[in-house]
Amino acid sequence: EAQVTQNPRYLITVTGKKLTVTCSQNMNHEYMSWYRQDPGLGLRQIYYSMNVEVTDKGDVPEGYKVSRKEKRNFPLILESPSPNQTSLYFCASSSLTSGANVLTFGAGSRLTVL
Amino acid sequence: DAKTTQPNSMESNEEEPVHLPCNHSTISGTDYIHWYRQLPSQGPEYVIHGLTSNVNNRMASLAIAEDRKSSTLILHRATLRDAAVYYCILRVSGAGSYQLTFGKGTKLSVIP
Repeated sequence: EAQVTQNPRYLITVTGKKLTVTCSQNMNHEYMSWYRQDPGLGLRQIYYSMNVEVTDKGDVPEGYKVSRKEKRNFPLILESPSPNQTSLYFCASSSLTSGANVLTFGAGSRLTVL
Repeated sequence: DAKTTQPNSMESNEEEPVHLPCNHSTISGTDYIHWYRQLPSQGPEYVIHGLTSNVNNRMASLAIAEDRKSSTLILHRATLRDAAVYYCILRVSGAGSYQLTFGKGTKLSVIP
Protein backbone atom coordinates (compact mmCIF):
# COMPACT_ATOMS: atom_id res chain seq x y z
CA GLU A 1 0.00 0.00 0.00
CA ALA A 2 1.29 3.44 -0.97
CA GLN A 3 1.76 5.43 2.19
CA VAL A 4 3.68 7.95 4.25
CA THR A 5 4.65 6.62 7.67
CA GLN A 6 5.48 8.86 10.62
CA ASN A 7 6.89 7.83 13.98
CA PRO A 8 6.24 8.33 16.77
CA ARG A 9 2.54 9.11 16.54
CA TYR A 10 2.50 10.55 20.05
CA LEU A 11 5.37 11.90 22.11
CA ILE A 12 5.68 13.81 25.36
CA THR A 13 9.13 15.22 26.07
CA VAL A 14 10.82 17.93 28.12
CA THR A 15 12.41 21.20 27.10
CA GLY A 16 15.87 20.80 25.63
CA LYS A 17 15.84 17.05 25.04
CA LYS A 18 16.71 16.42 21.40
CA LEU A 19 14.21 14.39 19.44
CA THR A 20 13.66 13.16 15.92
CA VAL A 21 10.37 12.48 14.19
CA THR A 22 10.86 10.06 11.32
CA CYS A 23 9.04 10.12 8.00
CA SER A 24 9.25 7.44 5.35
CA GLN A 25 7.44 7.03 2.02
CA ASN A 26 7.28 3.99 -0.26
CA MET A 27 6.20 5.73 -3.47
CA ASN A 28 9.62 6.81 -4.77
CA HIS A 29 8.52 10.44 -4.46
CA GLU A 30 11.06 13.19 -5.01
CA TYR A 31 9.27 15.86 -2.98
CA MET A 32 8.82 15.63 0.79
CA SER A 33 7.64 18.23 3.25
CA TRP A 34 6.93 18.82 6.93
CA TYR A 35 3.99 20.85 8.25
CA ARG A 36 2.85 21.77 11.70
CA GLN A 37 -0.76 22.36 12.61
CA ASP A 38 -1.89 24.56 15.48
CA PRO A 39 -5.43 25.59 16.45
CA GLY A 40 -6.61 28.57 14.44
CA LEU A 41 -3.46 28.68 12.30
CA GLY A 42 -4.05 25.89 9.81
CA LEU A 43 -1.12 23.98 8.32
CA ARG A 44 2.20 25.79 8.12
CA GLN A 45 5.14 24.46 6.17
CA ILE A 46 8.37 23.92 8.11
CA TYR A 47 10.81 22.52 5.56
CA TYR A 48 10.60 20.80 2.23
CA SER A 49 12.90 18.78 0.00
CA MET A 50 12.93 18.48 -3.77
CA ASN A 51 15.23 15.46 -3.79
CA VAL A 52 18.12 13.77 -1.99
CA GLU A 53 20.46 16.32 -0.38
CA VAL A 54 18.19 19.21 -1.46
CA THR A 55 16.23 20.92 1.31
CA ASP A 56 14.72 24.37 1.72
CA LYS A 57 12.97 26.41 4.38
CA GLY A 58 9.22 26.76 4.48
CA ASP A 59 7.32 29.41 6.39
CA VAL A 60 8.25 28.42 9.97
CA PRO A 61 11.69 26.73 9.99
CA GLU A 62 13.05 28.21 13.24
CA GLY A 63 13.98 25.56 15.81
CA TYR A 64 13.89 22.68 13.32
CA LYS A 65 16.38 20.80 11.17
CA VAL A 66 15.85 18.26 8.43
CA SER A 67 18.00 15.98 6.35
CA ARG A 68 17.43 14.03 3.14
CA LYS A 69 20.16 11.43 2.85
CA GLU A 70 17.89 8.86 1.21
CA LYS A 71 14.99 9.40 -1.13
CA ARG A 72 12.45 7.60 1.05
CA ASN A 73 13.29 9.26 4.40
CA PHE A 74 12.90 12.85 5.60
CA PRO A 75 13.38 13.10 9.38
CA LEU A 76 12.45 16.23 11.34
CA ILE A 77 14.93 17.07 14.08
CA LEU A 78 14.27 19.25 17.09
CA GLU A 79 17.70 19.89 18.58
CA SER A 80 16.43 21.69 21.68
CA PRO A 81 12.64 21.49 21.84
CA SER A 82 10.69 24.25 23.52
CA PRO A 83 7.05 24.39 24.66
CA ASN A 84 6.09 26.53 21.64
CA GLN A 85 6.91 23.52 19.46
CA THR A 86 4.05 21.60 21.02
CA SER A 87 1.97 20.86 17.95
CA LEU A 88 0.59 18.29 15.53
CA TYR A 89 3.11 17.51 12.80
CA PHE A 90 2.44 16.11 9.36
CA CYS A 91 4.85 14.75 6.79
CA ALA A 92 3.83 14.65 3.13
CA SER A 93 5.32 13.54 -0.15
CA SER A 94 4.61 13.87 -3.84
CA SER A 95 5.98 13.01 -7.23
CA LEU A 96 7.60 15.80 -9.22
CA THR A 97 7.21 14.02 -12.53
CA SER A 98 3.39 14.08 -12.59
CA GLY A 99 3.30 17.84 -13.08
CA ALA A 100 0.89 18.71 -10.28
CA ASN A 101 2.56 17.70 -6.98
CA VAL A 102 -0.42 15.89 -5.47
CA LEU A 103 0.51 15.39 -1.82
CA THR A 104 0.10 12.22 0.22
CA PHE A 105 0.10 12.89 3.96
CA GLY A 106 1.09 10.80 6.92
CA ALA A 107 -1.27 10.25 9.85
CA GLY A 108 0.41 12.88 11.99
CA SER A 109 2.64 13.03 15.07
CA ARG A 110 1.37 14.80 18.15
CA LEU A 111 4.24 16.30 20.10
CA THR A 112 4.01 17.81 23.58
CA VAL A 113 7.01 19.65 25.02
CA LEU A 114 6.82 20.29 28.77
CA ASP B 1 4.03 34.49 -2.27
CA ALA B 2 0.81 33.42 -3.88
CA LYS B 3 -1.85 33.06 -1.19
CA THR B 4 -5.42 31.90 -1.06
CA THR B 5 -8.43 33.35 0.76
CA GLN B 6 -11.32 31.20 1.91
CA PRO B 7 -14.30 31.74 4.20
CA ASN B 8 -13.66 30.45 7.71
CA SER B 9 -16.76 28.29 7.79
CA MET B 10 -19.78 27.18 5.79
CA GLU B 11 -22.86 25.08 6.43
CA SER B 12 -24.77 22.80 4.15
CA ASN B 13 -27.77 20.55 4.42
CA GLU B 14 -27.23 16.88 3.81
CA GLU B 15 -27.77 15.81 0.19
CA GLU B 16 -27.60 19.41 -1.04
CA PRO B 17 -24.82 20.70 -3.32
CA VAL B 18 -22.03 22.70 -1.70
CA HIS B 19 -19.95 25.40 -3.38
CA LEU B 20 -16.73 26.23 -1.54
CA PRO B 21 -15.08 29.41 -2.87
CA CYS B 22 -11.40 30.31 -2.98
CA ASN B 23 -9.73 33.54 -4.09
CA HIS B 24 -6.16 33.49 -5.39
CA SER B 25 -5.71 36.84 -7.07
CA THR B 26 -1.89 36.63 -7.20
CA ILE B 27 -1.78 33.29 -8.99
CA SER B 28 0.77 33.00 -11.76
CA GLY B 29 0.45 31.13 -15.03
CA THR B 30 2.19 27.92 -13.91
CA ASP B 31 0.54 27.57 -10.50
CA TYR B 32 -1.75 24.59 -10.05
CA ILE B 33 -4.82 24.94 -7.83
CA HIS B 34 -5.15 22.11 -5.34
CA TRP B 35 -7.93 21.22 -2.93
CA TYR B 36 -7.43 19.01 0.10
CA ARG B 37 -9.68 18.18 3.00
CA GLN B 38 -8.97 17.15 6.56
CA LEU B 39 -11.45 14.99 8.41
CA PRO B 40 -11.41 15.17 12.22
CA SER B 41 -8.33 13.50 13.73
CA GLN B 42 -6.85 12.65 10.33
CA GLY B 43 -4.19 13.96 8.00
CA PRO B 44 -5.22 16.02 4.99
CA GLU B 45 -6.28 14.08 1.92
CA TYR B 46 -6.24 15.09 -1.72
CA VAL B 47 -9.56 16.04 -3.31
CA ILE B 48 -8.90 17.54 -6.73
CA HIS B 49 -6.57 19.83 -8.67
CA GLY B 50 -6.58 21.87 -11.86
CA LEU B 51 -4.66 24.39 -13.90
CA THR B 52 -7.01 26.19 -16.27
CA SER B 53 -9.96 24.00 -17.22
CA ASN B 54 -12.76 22.76 -15.00
CA VAL B 55 -12.13 19.29 -13.59
CA ASN B 56 -14.33 16.46 -12.36
CA ASN B 57 -13.52 13.35 -10.37
CA ARG B 58 -15.44 10.90 -8.22
CA MET B 59 -15.17 13.14 -5.16
CA ALA B 60 -15.90 16.61 -6.50
CA SER B 61 -15.75 19.14 -9.30
CA LEU B 62 -13.45 22.12 -9.59
CA ALA B 63 -14.59 25.23 -11.41
CA ILE B 64 -11.83 27.67 -12.28
CA ALA B 65 -12.58 31.26 -13.26
CA GLU B 66 -11.47 32.34 -16.70
CA ASP B 67 -8.91 34.78 -15.24
CA ARG B 68 -7.84 32.05 -12.74
CA LYS B 69 -8.09 34.48 -9.83
CA SER B 70 -10.70 32.34 -8.12
CA SER B 71 -11.99 28.80 -8.05
CA THR B 72 -14.87 26.86 -6.54
CA LEU B 73 -14.91 23.33 -5.19
CA ILE B 74 -18.28 21.71 -5.79
CA LEU B 75 -19.54 18.77 -3.77
CA HIS B 76 -22.60 17.61 -5.66
CA ARG B 77 -24.45 15.99 -2.75
CA ALA B 78 -23.06 16.67 0.70
CA THR B 79 -23.04 13.77 3.12
CA LEU B 80 -22.23 13.75 6.83
CA ARG B 81 -18.86 12.23 5.94
CA ASP B 82 -18.01 15.39 3.98
CA ALA B 83 -17.87 17.44 7.19
CA ALA B 84 -14.23 18.53 7.24
CA VAL B 85 -11.87 21.46 6.81
CA TYR B 86 -11.29 22.14 3.11
CA TYR B 87 -8.04 23.74 2.01
CA CYS B 88 -7.49 25.52 -1.28
CA ILE B 89 -3.77 25.83 -1.98
CA LEU B 90 -1.48 26.75 -4.84
CA ARG B 91 1.51 24.84 -6.07
CA VAL B 92 3.86 27.77 -6.48
CA SER B 93 6.85 27.12 -8.69
CA GLY B 94 9.98 29.13 -9.26
CA ALA B 95 13.75 28.82 -9.49
CA GLY B 96 13.48 25.05 -9.92
CA SER B 97 11.59 24.53 -6.68
CA TYR B 98 8.00 24.17 -5.58
CA GLN B 99 6.05 25.16 -2.52
CA LEU B 100 2.61 24.11 -1.40
CA THR B 101 1.46 26.52 1.27
CA PHE B 102 -1.78 25.88 3.16
CA GLY B 103 -4.03 28.58 4.57
CA LYS B 104 -6.58 28.19 7.34
CA GLY B 105 -9.20 26.51 5.19
CA THR B 106 -12.99 26.43 5.33
CA LYS B 107 -14.68 24.33 7.98
CA LEU B 108 -17.70 22.69 6.37
CA SER B 109 -20.52 21.57 8.62
CA VAL B 110 -23.18 19.26 7.18
CA ILE B 111 -26.60 19.38 8.79
CA PRO B 112 -28.65 16.18 8.76
